[in-house]
Amino acid sequence: ETGVTQSPTHLIKTRGQQVTLRCSSQSGHNTVSWYQQALGQGPQFIFQYYREEENGRGNFPPRFSGLQFPNYSSELNVNALELDDSALYLCASSRQGGGNEKLFFGSGTQLSVL
Amino acid sequence: DAKTTQPPSMDCAEGRAANLPCNHSTISGNEYVYWYRQIHSQGPQYIIHGLKNNETNEMASLIITEDRKSSTLILPHATLRDTAVYYCIVRALFMNTGNQFYFGTGTSLTVIP
Repeated sequence: ETGVTQSPTHLIKTRGQQVTLRCSSQSGHNTVSWYQQALGQGPQFIFQYYREEENGRGNFPPRFSGLQFPNYSSELNVNALELDDSALYLCASSRQGGGNEKLFFGSGTQLSVL
Repeated sequence: DAKTTQPPSMDCAEGRAANLPCNHSTISGNEYVYWYRQIHSQGPQYIIHGLKNNETNEMASLIITEDRKSSTLILPHATLRDTAVYYCIVRALFMNTGNQFYFGTGTSLTVIP
């Protein structure tokens, strides 16, 4: 148990719809990162939020967006869903500072786009 | 843009040491090497990390070569529960932006009874 919780655990959407995934950070952590993991692949970095602002982004289009709240919880929003968005979405929290932080991952949200 | 190379799969007999290699020949001087593992359909689990010295914790040991171009994760007494995908990660550092971890495809370790 890492203390990082994600909801929902599973979700089915249709192409073109919008989805919101949620993440609660581990106590004491101020940074949240989101990752997408397609079947058989390693997790791919989407973006990171620190102090409620995005401060790092991977190679994902603008229809992937997020929020971080004052309590450090976070949301990932995906608009105009495509079939290729079907994946496990992982949230990770950490305490930033010093250069050797550890990421603590939640169990993920399995998104299926039909 | 994964900066590491790992064998796609390995087997290890239960009770024996599992030695998982990783090549990171382009690592920069201030980049750490991290190891995570992922059991099917769960989130990745932190194992260990290091900069240039060898490290040991309750889960594993990390051996980093002197030139830092490769490392080995050692699970001293593998059990069936160690069957997982193991990721070697070189942490991409950006000023004040922390934690962009680039995962490759990892090594699928199977512990055999």
